[in-house]
Amino acid sequence: AQSVAQPEDQVNVAEGNPLTVKCTYSVSGNPYLFWYVQYPNRGLQFLLKYITGDNLVKGSYGFEAEFNKSQTSFHLKKPSALVSDSALYFCAVRDLDTGRRALTFGSGTRLQVQP
Amino acid sequence: NAGVTQTPKFRVLKTGQSMTLLCAQDMNHEYMYWYRQDPGMGLRLIHYSVGEGTTAKGEVPDGYNVSRLKKQNFLLGLESAAPSQTSVYFCASGGLAGDTQYFGPGTRLTVL
Repeated sequence: AQSVAQPEDQVNVAEGNPLTVKCTYSVSGNPYLFWYVQYPNRGLQFLLKYITGDNLVKGSYGFEAEFNKSQTSFHLKKPSALVSDSALYFCAVRDLDTGRRALTFGSGTRLQVQP
Repeated sequence: NAGVTQTPKFRVLKTGQSMTLLCAQDMNHEYMYWYRQDPGMGLRLIHYSVGEGTTAKGEVPDGYNVSRLKKQNFLLGLESAAPSQTSVYFCASGGLAGDTQYFGPGTRLTVL
């Protein structure tokens, strides 16, 4: 079975400071990993994904994520947070080896960026 | 391109009533999914489809039925609504390459 853990319900950061939103995963095979963002009363928007190759993945709006196989982590990062980054962030995983294409999502982390 | 659209945006039902949620995508995607989102629980997969005429159960399928008669549409039905089905429902679609899923804006359903 595949699973995702987002250990922090909320992350608070001051504008201009770097931010990290944590994600760890569990799969039996090789993972596809995703980050999505949800703004209030909106659907989820795709930010970035890791499939294979370079462990550092760059995505939309200046976000990036680092895949760490030994720690089974895929933390989302941004060098300088903006107030407009405040939203709900979801990590998701798919186990490549099961053939099941559906994603399993974490419970979400609310990011609050203070001016 | 409209992407993924969902109808309706909001709905209030009484216990025992039925309704159908419609999802449409214009990206020619093979895969379509229905999720529900509840506070503190992330998104949970209800049903999904890997192509026209096919459907499969997800994590929380009880109380829901689905149909994929056309490639671009994926319908979610509640035959006899229960208060436990109060939630926000999201539809998503995805192609073969890369598995990125694209989400609709959601339907907020309240069952009284």
